[in-house]
Amino acid sequence: DTAVSQTPKYLVTQMGNDKSIKCEQNLGHDTMYWYKQDSKKFLKIMFSYNNKELIINETVPNRFSPKSPDKAHLNLHINSLELGDSAVYFCASSARDRGYTFGSGTRLTVV
Amino acid sequence: DQQVKQNSPSLSVQEGRISILNCDYTNSMFDYFLWYKKYPAEGPTFLISISSIKDKNEDGRFTVFLNKSAKHLSLHIVPSQPGDSAVYFCAASDTDKLIFGTGTRLQVFP
Repeated sequence: DTAVSQTPKYLVTQMGNDKSIKCEQNLGHDTMYWYKQDSKKFLKIMFSYNNKELIINETVPNRFSPKSPDKAHLNLHINSLELGDSAVYFCASSARDRGYTFGSGTRLTVV
Repeated sequence: DQQVKQNSPSLSVQEGRISILNCDYTNSMFDYFLWYKKYPAEGPTFLISISSIKDKNEDGRFTVFLNKSAKHLSLHIVPSQPGDSAVYFCAASDTDKLIFGTGTRLQVFP
């Protein structure tokens, strides 16, 4: 069973569209995250939720809106997609004493 | 301002020898450090961690060393195996978020 699963794995879409990436974890972790890996391979945190509450919101355009319907899910909705949004997005979850577990990533390509 | 740095983008090591991956950080408030391994088209996988109250943590072939005064940590892999070939990310935690380095690509050749 996949511990942190995110869908879709690949997403190609046109500029201006609205899209969502879903993430689910079955580890019972309290905290979930969205990370963005840019073209330079640098992983940067975007959002963090703890028990459905937003605890970290880095400098991310407000076109990006995370939604956490429950502790096991953290979805990422992106409005009005731009070329610069093209990247790999990783979902992760954590329990402090057990480290972080990452999903396999969603490669978003905006054309 | 990059708080976690991996200055070597790549490293090539012969099978059976030791691989040493280095990481430097700037924030003295970091209290927990982790190493992740990433294969192409997969998410990073947790490898080993160390708390700031320790200077060494060992798990099989993997050992992480922490030098707080130098704000430096390293990952030692011995003996290196071809399956270790991957990108290794150093990460540091300041309680509620994880900050990653840019990664070092390790290639272990026969």
